[in-house]
Amino acid sequence: AQSVAQPEDQVNVAEGNPLTVKCTYSVSGNPYLFWYVQYPNRGLQFLLKYITGDNLVKGSYGFEAEFNKSQTSFHLKKPSALVSDSALYFCAVRDLNSGNTPLVFGKGTRLSVIA
Amino acid sequence: SQTIHQWPATLVQPVGSPLSLECTVEGTSNPNLYWYRQAAGRGLQLLFYSVGIGQISSEVPQNLSASRPQDRQFILSSKKLLLSDSGFYLCAWSRDEGDTQYFGPGTRLTVL
Repeated sequence: AQSVAQPEDQVNVAEGNPLTVKCTYSVSGNPYLFWYVQYPNRGLQFLLKYITGDNLVKGSYGFEAEFNKSQTSFHLKKPSALVSDSALYFCAVRDLNSGNTPLVFGKGTRLSVIA
Repeated sequence: SQTIHQWPATLVQPVGSPLSLECTVEGTSNPNLYWYRQAAGRGLQLLFYSVGIGQISSEVPQNLSASRPQDRQFILSSKKLLLSDSGFYLCAWSRDEGDTQYFGPGTRLTVL
């Protein structure tokens, strides 16, 4: 079975400071990992994904995520937060050894960037 | 490029009334299609997904049903709405089941 956890419901950060949104996963095989962002009353927007290769993945809007196999984590990061980054962020996982199954999404983390 | 449409954008319906939400995808063929519900701006609940015309997988038994009458059309229905059906309904597509999903703009459903 595959699962993903976002341990923080809410993250607050001051504008200009670095931000981290945490995600941990559980799979029996190799993970396929994603980050999405959702602005109010909108659909989810794809930010970035990891399949294989470089553990540091760069995505849209200056976001990046680091895959850490030993800690089974895929934390989302940005060096300098903007007020416009305030949104709901979702991590998702799929076990590459599980056959054709849909992505499993975390419960979401609300990021608030304060000016 | 591919685009995904959902309508209506908002809907207010009385308890016990029927429901039909539509999702269409343009610019791709044989997409995998998904319906999610999001309550109170939080987590996503996968309701149904489809890998082809007439093929529907139900993730959660409930008051809703889904159909895929055409390759790029996915419909979410109910015969009688419940108060608990209120929420934000999102449609998504992907090229394969485990691939990147791309979401539509969503439908806000309020059942009174």
